[in-house]
Amino acid sequence: DGGITQSPKYLFRKEGQNVTLSCEQNLNHDAMYWYRQDPGQGLRLIYYSQIVNDFQKGDIAEGYSVSREKKESFPLTVTSAQKNPTAFYLCASNPGPRNEKLFFGSGTQLSVL
Amino acid sequence: GNSVTQMEGPVTLSEEAFLTINCTYTATGYPSLFWYVQYPGEGLQLLLKATKADDKGSNKGFEATYRKETTSFHLEKGSVQVSDSAVYFCALLTSGTYKYIFGTGTRLKVLA
Repeated sequence: DGGITQSPKYLFRKEGQNVTLSCEQNLNHDAMYWYRQDPGQGLRLIYYSQIVNDFQKGDIAEGYSVSREKKESFPLTVTSAQKNPTAFYLCASNPGPRNEKLFFGSGTQLSVL
Repeated sequence: GNSVTQMEGPVTLSEEAFLTINCTYTATGYPSLFWYVQYPGEGLQLLLKATKADDKGSNKGFEATYRKETTSFHLEKGSVQVSDSAVYFCALLTSGTYKYIFGTGTRLKVLA
């Protein structure tokens, strides 16, 4: 089945540690996104990528980094510079500019130990 | 800048009650408008969309009409079910961009 796979479902980070969240899609979509979801704040855009080897900062990129070396993969690293990383992280993809539907993964809950 | 404002939740209804969740937006140009639904522990799924003024999006008994004069896209359902319990997000996408703007979400609880 085609879709977006996020892993792990739950992740714990120690102080000063970098952690990487995985996002893989087999939908052949050009665009991929990372959102952070906090209670009562909706979804906030961290980074997005329209094509391979290119990505742009979203509204809350500080303390995060991404790469887009392959079309199907868009991993997110939460660095030690992100002082409040506890949140639910959602990855999404979209076929391209003429198809507006976003497809979401099932999310990763990141917590700080 | 562009923004989306939703009514705060939670909204608690009895089964078969009428549902309205308000959504208003601020945007330049002519955005596309969306409602997404999130069930517990899952990602979001597209519920319905409308791409121009006076369009009505509909799906699974839910409806929303793109009202440019009031910059609104209110979600309605005539008779809710327990299985409709979820968080509902209103969103917009400005033409020619990749950046979606989401509202804060409205939690709906339907009681049997």
